[in-house]
Amino acid sequence: GAGVSQTPSNKVTEKGKYVELRCDPISGHTALYWYRQSLGQGPEFLIYFQGTGAADDSGLPNDRFFAVRPEGSVSTLKIQRTERGDSAVYLCASSERTSGGTQYFGPGTRLTVL
Amino acid sequence: SQQGEEDPQALSIQEGENATMNCSYKTSINNLQWYRQNSGRGLVHLILIRSNEREKHSGRLRVTLDTSKKSSSLLITASRAADTASYFCATLLRGGKLIFGQGTELSVKP
Repeated sequence: GAGVSQTPSNKVTEKGKYVELRCDPISGHTALYWYRQSLGQGPEFLIYFQGTGAADDSGLPNDRFFAVRPEGSVSTLKIQRTERGDSAVYLCASSERTSGGTQYFGPGTRLTVL
Repeated sequence: SQQGEEDPQALSIQEGENATMNCSYKTSINNLQWYRQNSGRGLVHLILIRSNEREKHSGRLRVTLDTSKKSSSLLITASRAADTASYFCATLLRGGKLIFGQGTELSVKP
């Protein structure tokens, strides 16, 4: 079946602008995760959802970052007042369940803030 | 912050040789997973080893886990040029989030 998809694949924006990044998880997966990967580093956890609710948002760097998953499927990561330091690849993953299920990653969205 | 540390940061070998990558972590884990990434995108899950397991095999991959030393290793046998990629270990913490290491960049020369 279809894997995790993310749109857009690339996003270039100007400092101070608002961006939305979308993730479509694998159908039926209840858990959804967002990670951020800077060049030369491993992915860093941002937030995960179990169903519609954010079960752990401890990785969000500050209040400019927000994520939603209103119907328990598609999720949107929202970044307000973007800064150059927000430039990274934003990865989404989904799994059948939390607590041990294999996470399947999407191809990521490369965000560049000029 | 990232929990894992990987060693070496970069590894260059000839096709047919074995590649060994090591990972250390800091806290108690439920399981440890290894992922592969090509060209900075698309992480692919390779293998998962549970905290009560010591060794696991999958094709040309062999993973070991030593919870007393909080370390794991990934061995790729008979490497191929197509194995060239970055490899990450990731520890699964309670609640489901993965904590990744910085990765090992493997280059397999034909």
